[in-house]
Amino acid sequence: DVKVTQSSRYLVKRTGEKVFLECVQDMDHENMFWYRQDPGLGLRLIYFSYDVKMKEKGDIPEGYSVSREKKERFSLILESASTNQTSMYLCASRDRYYGYTFGSGTRLTVV
Amino acid sequence: QKEVEQNSGPLSVPEGAIASLNCTYSDRGSQSFFWYRQYSGKSPELIMFIYSNGDKEDGRFTAQLNKASQYVSLLIRDSQPSDSATYLCAVSSDSGAGSYQLTFGKGTKLSVIP
Repeated sequence: DVKVTQSSRYLVKRTGEKVFLECVQDMDHENMFWYRQDPGLGLRLIYFSYDVKMKEKGDIPEGYSVSREKKERFSLILESASTNQTSMYLCASRDRYYGYTFGSGTRLTVV
Repeated sequence: QKEVEQNSGPLSVPEGAIASLNCTYSDRGSQSFFWYRQYSGKSPELIMFIYSNGDKEDGRFTAQLNKASQYVSLLIRDSQPSDSATYLCAVSSDSGAGSYQLTFGKGTKLSVIP
């Protein structure tokens, strides 16, 4: 089975801090995605990557950046955390034939 | 703008009944269709996928696809309290920049009453 691992399950950060969320997949998938999920708003795509060093903006990229230096790792960076970035962050990986496999998620609280 | 619409619910069914979850999508070029189950506080997990018109059965779950009507549904037979969760419909066009991005509905919350 594909495994997608997110480095932290719960995270509390202060306003203005730079925050790194790490995601690693073990199935050599080319496509990786970062979403945030908020009540009533559903899953919203932040960034995605279809190859090493390639990145594309999703629907809500403002305040975020990403890094994909190795195929298995896709990092989400909050340049200067703000309280409106408090959310559940979900990383996903996908091959051509099946849907996403999600990581377990990181619940980030910015205080 | 690609859209996926689901009734947010909650949908309440008695234990043992059939739960029917529905989804419509706007992009006629969509090729792949997925159903995810998400328990409260957990991440979504894939339960069914379907690519061709018609029905696909897996245990108590049946996915139904009608591309002409741009409609996909999930039936859960013999519903159990453990099926209580939010069900997300997702659609992919599998085209453009190799992204294979999924577009998600906002989910239908299902409650199975013992």
